[in-house]
Amino acid sequence: NAGVTQTPKFQVLKTGQSMTLQCAQDMNHNSMYWYRQDPGMGLRLIYYSASEGTTDKGEVPNGYNVSRLNKREFSLRLESAAPSQTSVYFCASSENGVRYGYTFGSGTRLTVV
Amino acid sequence: KQEVTQIPAALSVPEGENLVLNCSFTDSAIYNLQWFRQDPGKGLTSLLLIQSSQREQTSGRLNASLDKSSGRSTLYIAASQPGDSATYLCAVNWSSNTGKLIFGQGTTLQVKP
Repeated sequence: NAGVTQTPKFQVLKTGQSMTLQCAQDMNHNSMYWYRQDPGMGLRLIYYSASEGTTDKGEVPNGYNVSRLNKREFSLRLESAAPSQTSVYFCASSENGVRYGYTFGSGTRLTVV
Repeated sequence: KQEVTQIPAALSVPEGENLVLNCSFTDSAIYNLQWFRQDPGKGLTSLLLIQSSQREQTSGRLNASLDKSSGRSTLYIAASQPGDSATYLCAVNWSSNTGKLIFGQGTTLQVKP
C-alpha cells in the first residue's frame, strides 16, 4: 500500500545546479500533479498531467519542466535551480475529475543556496 | 480570479471543545471541495470530499458543510483532542476535466490537554 512515493525526501542544491524530483503512484490513477508549498502561501500547482502522454502548466510553472514517463511516473525537473525555488514539493495523484479525491506523497524538502 | 481563503490562520482551544474552521471561495461554480490535514513535516491526508451537489459530509467526529451560494465551507470538529492538532487545508476544484485544486493557506490548530 505505497500510494504515492517521492524521492528524494531532502535535497540541497547550489544555485545553477539541476535536478529531477521523482514521483510514482501505484493506484492506477490517471491524473498526477506537482505542487509547491511555501510558508504563508499554501500549496500552488506547478504542472499537472490529466492523463498519460499529456502535461499542462499550472499556476507557477516558470523554471520547471515535467515528464509523464508512463501512467505510474511523473517527474519534475529544475534545469537551473534558483534560491526562489527553495520549497517543499508535493506530488499527488487522482482519478479523472477528482471525484474520489487526491492522494499526496510525503514531500521533498528542497533548499537552494 | 478564483481564490480560497481560510480564517483564522491559527487557533488554540482546550481539549474537549467543539470547533469550526472556515473556508471561503470566490466563485460558486465549483466541481468539488476537499478538506485536508497536514501534520508538521508531513504530506497531506484527505479528510472529507464534498461534491458540488452535496451539502455536507461526515466522518467520525468531523463534519464538513458546503454552501455554494455564499461561497463558504466549514469543517466542524466535535470533542477536540490533542491528536487533532495539525494544519487543516481547504482546497477547491473548479475544473472537472483537470482536477486542479486551489488551496487556502490553512488553519493551524492546537488542542491543549
